[in-house]
Amino acid sequence: DQQVKQNSPSLSVQEGRISILNCDYTNSMFDYFLWYKKYPAEGPTFLISISSIKDKNEDGRFTVFLNKSAKHLSLHIVPSQPGDSAVYFCAASEGNFNKFYFGSGTKLNVKP
Amino acid sequence: GAGVSQSPSNKVTEKGKDVELRCDPISGHTALYWYRQSLGQGLEFLIYFQGNSAPDKSGLPSDRFSAERTGGSVSTLTIQRTQQEDSAVYLCASSIPDSMNTEAFFGQGTRLTVV
Repeated sequence: DQQVKQNSPSLSVQEGRISILNCDYTNSMFDYFLWYKKYPAEGPTFLISISSIKDKNEDGRFTVFLNKSAKHLSLHIVPSQPGDSAVYFCAASEGNFNKFYFGSGTKLNVKP
Repeated sequence: GAGVSQSPSNKVTEKGKDVELRCDPISGHTALYWYRQSLGQGLEFLIYFQGNSAPDKSGLPSDRFSAERTGGSVSTLTIQRTQQEDSAVYLCASSIPDSMNTEAFFGQGTRLTVV
């Protein structure tokens, strides 16, 4: 039973436009959420996170939005760049931080 | 380097053989995780070590899988009598758990192929 779901396996966006990656979760006890980016043959790298006490966190071109009532978070990338093309994983954890639950990933392709 | 280091980067083994995968976490990181990613799947939690506490082994898929962490640093994931369904990328991560900033840093992974 997957507690973190990314229902879009892939997304294609034109360079300069906004990329929106979505993630849903089922466990209401999750209180910390992260996005990772993964290039082929590399390990995932941390991108941005958000605590459940906030509904938005911004870092440069990347913004994560959290809607706790809907158990939904999204990652916005604007403007998108070809170098952003990668697989993006969302992850969630509970207060004790001992286990990160990952979604299945969304492959983003940013076309020049 | 200062990142999480995994070895080997690639491993091909025959079905039924045992394999050992190694992880060197970032120095000072007390938490260490093993995940695996099968083809087309997300990251599946396997096991978690935190300091001297008993490890969380709830994600290990069978008793053929075991892991150790010696001296609170290096970890070894052992798979006995490998099966073809064990083929995956095995990822290790480490972190410093605290209430403010708890992202995990991943190694590059070990790609295991069981033939």
